[in-house]
Amino acid sequence: DAKTTQPNSMESNEEEPVHLPCNHSTISGTDYIHWYRQLPSQGPEYVIHGLTSNVNNRMASLAIAEDRKSSTLILHRATLRDAAVYYCILRDVGETSGSRLTFGEGTQLTVNP
Amino acid sequence: DSGVTQTPKHLITATGQRVTLRCSPRSGDLSVYWYQQSLDQGLQFLIQYYNGEERAKGNILERFSAQQFPDLHSELNLSSLELGDSALYFCASSVEGLAGGRTGELFFGEGSRLTVL
Repeated sequence: DAKTTQPNSMESNEEEPVHLPCNHSTISGTDYIHWYRQLPSQGPEYVIHGLTSNVNNRMASLAIAEDRKSSTLILHRATLRDAAVYYCILRDVGETSGSRLTFGEGTQLTVNP
Repeated sequence: DSGVTQTPKHLITATGQRVTLRCSPRSGDLSVYWYQQSLDQGLQFLIQYYNGEERAKGNILERFSAQQFPDLHSELNLSSLELGDSALYFCASSVEGLAGGRTGELFFGEGSRLTVL
């Protein structure tokens, strides 16, 4: 599995933008970049995914570097409910690997009121 | 609500016992995944089923087994339980198996918390 590297933790203030970085220097040309988050005592929740172009949805934006070796998840206005562990994942699909997600350590985001 | 239902939500049992965790995927989803989350190991992929067939295996112990039934619900069987098996067990589902698998999202249930005493 191609590996991702994220900071262990980050802090933000409520209603301010948050930029969560992810490095994935060994990404292959067909790997999609997925972001999930896990709120306390809940299962992981899909946030966004992309391949090459920047992506926006109602939850967040995903900015992908031109060389695809890094990406940034952007929460435009953090709320207290956004406090969670954020996982950056390269989707692994293959004959023996199925279409599973391989979770790393993630980034623990703390949002201060 | 993700649409994925897991039962039971909590389970307390003793070492050496056997338990069965159940998962009902979202309507129409053919793939079911099982993950284990313990404090020291993070989220670990155990196994994936697609339309009743095993598709991929991860760090699943030989004491553990799973199956997916014709109605697409899945069960994870954990036997000869040890203290270290105490964890949250998550089930997830998605529409696809392999084709288009890079793009689709997984929907996770709320988990079954297993405590082995």
